[in-house]
Amino acid sequence: RKEVEQDPGPFNVPEGATVAFNCTYSNSASQSFFWYRQDCRKEPKLLMSVYSSGNEDGRFTAQLNRASQYISLLIRDSKLSDSATYLCVVNSPNTDKLIFGTGTRLQVFP
Amino acid sequence: SQTIHQWPATLVQPVGSPLSLECTVEGTSNPNLYWYRQAAGRGLQLLFYSVGIGQISSEVPQNLSASRPQDRQFILSSKKLLLSDSGFYLCAWSEVLGNTIYFGEGSWLTVV
Repeated sequence: RKEVEQDPGPFNVPEGATVAFNCTYSNSASQSFFWYRQDCRKEPKLLMSVYSSGNEDGRFTAQLNRASQYISLLIRDSKLSDSATYLCVVNSPNTDKLIFGTGTRLQVFP
Repeated sequence: SQTIHQWPATLVQPVGSPLSLECTVEGTSNPNLYWYRQAAGRGLQLLFYSVGIGQISSEVPQNLSASRPQDRQFILSSKKLLLSDSGFYLCAWSEVLGNTIYFGEGSWLTVV
């Protein structure tokens, strides 16, 4: 089983739609979780950290489900500018390194 | 505020030629530094990381090497490039190992 798994997509959604991505992780001892956004041919940029109680930043909501070992990202009122690849990132407690998922591609159309 | 820069942004190199990518971080001291590679359609692969000057940990055996001659400088090198070395190379830094990581702009390498 991969350490971090994501549905590669693409998710094609109209402007204004709500879309959600899930990401599963294999190590139950992981403590740090993040979502990064990567535009085509650019570097990944931190979108938001994921806290145990869940957290919201504007139209973006992140949730952590420890029992089922997954994190989610919900995007409300999708904008064209949200089109990107979203990377799920989880720490590896054994090595203190971050493990990156291969990303979920989102395409928002007019 | 902290900034990270890497260069060159793009390069095309023939097979067997050497490589040197450089990265510097400003606005912080004793950062953890990383080199990642992202091949086409694949995820980020950690190549090297460093927790201090002269301290390099290699994650994947290959013909690449890394050096950290100064606190905020990280260099990725190769003596002889292979076709399979083509990809998007990203330098990154973090304050805490295993916590939020910040990337440079990336370097696109095409080996021909």
